[in-house]
This record gives sequence, C-alpha cells and structure tokens, in this order.
Amino acid sequence: GIQVEQSPPDLILQEGANSTLRCNFSDSVNNLQWFHQNPWGQLINLFYIPSGTKQNGRLSATTVATERYSLLYISSSQTTDSGVYFCAVGNQFYFGTGTSLTVIP
Amino acid sequence: GAGVSQSPRYKVAKRGQDVALRCDPISGHVSLFWYQQALGQGPEFLTYFQNEAQLDKSGLPSDRFFAERPEGSVSTLKIQRTQQEDSAVYLCASSSRLVTETQYFGPGTRLLVL
Repeated sequence: GIQVEQSPPDLILQEGANSTLRCNFSDSVNNLQWFHQNPWGQLINLFYIPSGTKQNGRLSATTVATERYSLLYISSSQTTDSGVYFCAVGNQFYFGTGTSLTVIP
Repeated sequence: GAGVSQSPRYKVAKRGQDVALRCDPISGHVSLFWYQQALGQGPEFLTYFQNEAQLDKSGLPSDRFFAERPEGSVSTLKIQRTQQEDSAVYLCASSSRLVTETQYFGPGTRLLVL
C-alpha cells in the first residue's frame, strides 16, 4: 500500500500561534483528505484536496500532487484546535500516523 | 441531516465471543468503509462497499472478520471468536458517490476483549 508520513509527530503551541503540518506520500494519488480527530475520538473532515489550495477560515491546505506532499496551515491557533490531525490518501484512504497538536492558553 | 451513526458505542467481550458492530451511513450515501484504529495509531482500512457490493476486503485481518451490507444501507461488521488483539476502535465512514469523495466518519465503536 501507499506509505504516508506526517510531520511533526507532536506539536505544542501557544494560543494565537501559527503552524504548518506536512503529509508526504509514496505514490501518486487522486484523492487526499485532512481530518481532525478531537479528544473524544470523532474524526472530522477538514479538506478534500487531491490538488491545489483550499481555505476555510483559519485553516488552509495545499497539495502538490506531482511532488507527493500536502500541507495543512493553522493560523491563530485556539485551544479547540487541539487533537490529532491525519491525512489520508488513495482509494482505500491510507492514513498517516498523525500529528498530535496541543494548544496551550 | 443525521450523520453516520454506530452502535454500540462501547462493547466488552470475553475472548472467544462473537460480536456484531452496526453502522448506519448518511442516507443516500453509496460508499461505506470500515476502519480499525488501535490506540495511538491512525485508522487502518478494513473493507469497502459500494451499495451492497463488497468491492474490497483486503484489509480484513483474518477470516474471523466478516462484513455485510445486504440492502446497500446499514452495514454490520462481525468478528467471530474475538481475541485480545481485536481490541480497538472500529470506525465506519460513508461518502456520497464514488470512492474518491469526501468521507464522513461515525463516532466509532470501542471494543475491548478481555
């Protein structure tokens, strides 16, 4: 299957700071999603972004499919942004191991 | 409308018991996926349905795992003769049409095998 690597594995931010999360994948894909898993375990889709750039409020994502990576930008972070961020790629949606984000007030 | 629902939310089973986990996808969604998520890991693909057809079951870890979606809506994941290594959260997701569409996840069923 497709290998998915996410970095950094852990991130601690002060409230209001900005961050960039990265997802590298080992093969060309025609789909990619970013998810946020909240502390209660619910996975919430943030972006379906096989290529290009999308923005939704304080979050934005860019996928460069030809170079096999995607970036998730979080601006002006809030404590409610805490949780684990996953990217998932491919028809079977192979998931990475995630980035665990903690935002400190 | 209602999102993806799963039941039960928690299940404790004795080793060797059979369990059945239910997933109600978003109404009208064609595609349905099952995943297994171990503690501290990302979800791992188990199986995929398009309507009632099981198109991919390559992620099922053993022949003790069986999934069905007989009428193309509700799906059941059955685990026979549960083992301790089956303890995990089982997640269901649905998408509106093709496999390459935004997925919406249910809350999961947390299975503990003693």
